Amino acid sequence: DAGITQSPRHKVTETGTPVTLRCHQTENHRYMYWYRQDPGHGLRLIHYSYGVKDTDKGEVSDGYSVSRSKTEDFLLTLESATSSQTSVYFCAISDPSQLSSYNEQFFGPGTRLTVL
Amino acid sequence: GEDVEQSLFLSVREGDSSVINCTYTDSSSTYLYWYKQEPGAGLQLLTYIFSNMDMKQDQRLTVLLNKKDKHLSLRIADTQTGDSAIYFCAESTSGTYKYIFGTGTRLKVLA
Repeated sequence: DAGITQSPRHKVTETGTPVTLRCHQTENHRYMYWYRQDPGHGLRLIHYSYGVKDTDKGEVSDGYSVSRSKTEDFLLTLESATSSQTSVYFCAISDPSQLSSYNEQFFGPGTRLTVL
Repeated sequence: GEDVEQSLFLSVREGDSSVINCTYTDSSSTYLYWYKQEPGAGLQLLTYIFSNMDMKQDQRLTVLLNKKDKHLSLRIADTQTGDSAIYFCAESTSGTYKYIFGTGTRLKVLA
């Protein structure tokens, strides 16, 4: 299994509070991603990173910010959590430059976030 | 924009074949994938196919690609209860960051 961990794995918080989710990889992959998974919507990209301090928005980035100060860590922050951000959040990694790669994404185990 | 569509549910009896279908819109796709998600877990790559292939077989799994119709299917032979999961179709273009995932098909295998 690819070395990807997410913390915390479960979190319950209240509307209006800040929340930070962490993704840590040991694979030295260049790209890191944050997705949210909701019933009927599949996986939707929130933000992604293509290198240290290089990040960009995905299709559902409103209300979220990210930071990547080290290759191995990618943080997702909800500045002021809302009930619509209740979801399961997945981190993923990939490295399109690898010659033997078929562009596979490797996923973390997910974080279940509930905003009351 | 690019889109990937799948039906949401499929129910089959143990021992039968399952066929999960997917349609996509991006004609520049290089790779098409099937990911499996078991309850409470992340997605894991099940199989993939290059866009210049028509078919790929891997043990009980057969992937068929119709590029003209932008249709991808996954056939699971001799479906077992352990195959119950959500199956995601996805596509990407070589050398890019971007992946497009379908909504996922929940496969339920009845004993």
